[in-house]
Amino acid sequence: EVQLVESGGGLIKPAGSLRLSCAASGFTFGNAWMNWVRQAPGKGLEWVGRIKSETDGGTTDYAAPVEGRVTISRDDSRNTLYLQVNSLKTEDTAVYYCTTVRRGTNAFDIWGRGTMVSVSS
Amino acid sequence: DIVMTQSPDSLAVSLGERATINCKSSQSVLYSSNNNNYLAWYQQKPGQPPKLLIYWASTRESGVPDRFSGSGSGTDFTLTISSLQAEDVAVYYCQQYYGLPITFGLGTRLEIK
Repeated sequence: EVQLVESGGGLIKPAGSLRLSCAASGFTFGNAWMNWVRQAPGKGLEWVGRIKSETDGGTTDYAAPVEGRVTISRDDSRNTLYLQVNSLKTEDTAVYYCTTVRRGTNAFDIWGRGTMVSVSS
Repeated sequence: DIVMTQSPDSLAVSLGERATINCKSSQSVLYSSNNNNYLAWYQQKPGQPPKLLIYWASTRESGVPDRFSGSGSGTDFTLTISSLQAEDVAVYYCQQYYGLPITFGLGTRLEIK
């Protein structure tokens, strides 16, 4: 069964840091382009960033609101995706989802159930 | 950034009736070299992650009921549910993947009348 399971969320104070993980199973993780998408409480979906497969260069792209504060990385030996977020702001409060990309598109075909990050003093 | 504008914000439709959701992009998402529209539709039910319904504007994802269909090209797109079922109550999002940043519409909430 194809599965993505996020972890690492919690309550963090402003200016703090956090690393989220996404454990993948049921597919060839090393071949997948992976994305992070977030959803603030009661709000819509916001793309955070992506990392290409190593065979496609392993490069990253980020959304402007998080660029400079966020790093996406992957460990293909562990089938795990990471999201490091620094200098957390209250507006970073959201459910963070990891997703795979349908090959040949940038449509997100598999989603994890998400992990909640709350930034508050 | 490509801005995705959905309409209406919310919609109430009777069971068995047709539901239509519109999505307009601020610039064309049609890639002329392959004639594909880089547009997807998602369904999100309460407490669940989004689910991919449609990609390339009109290609149904595997396992998605055929009452869901997507149409349109360039900047104007439509998601149609031909005969609304109770389990279709959800928020629906369009997304463009033509360029970075990938952007979503604000969503359309679909309810039963």
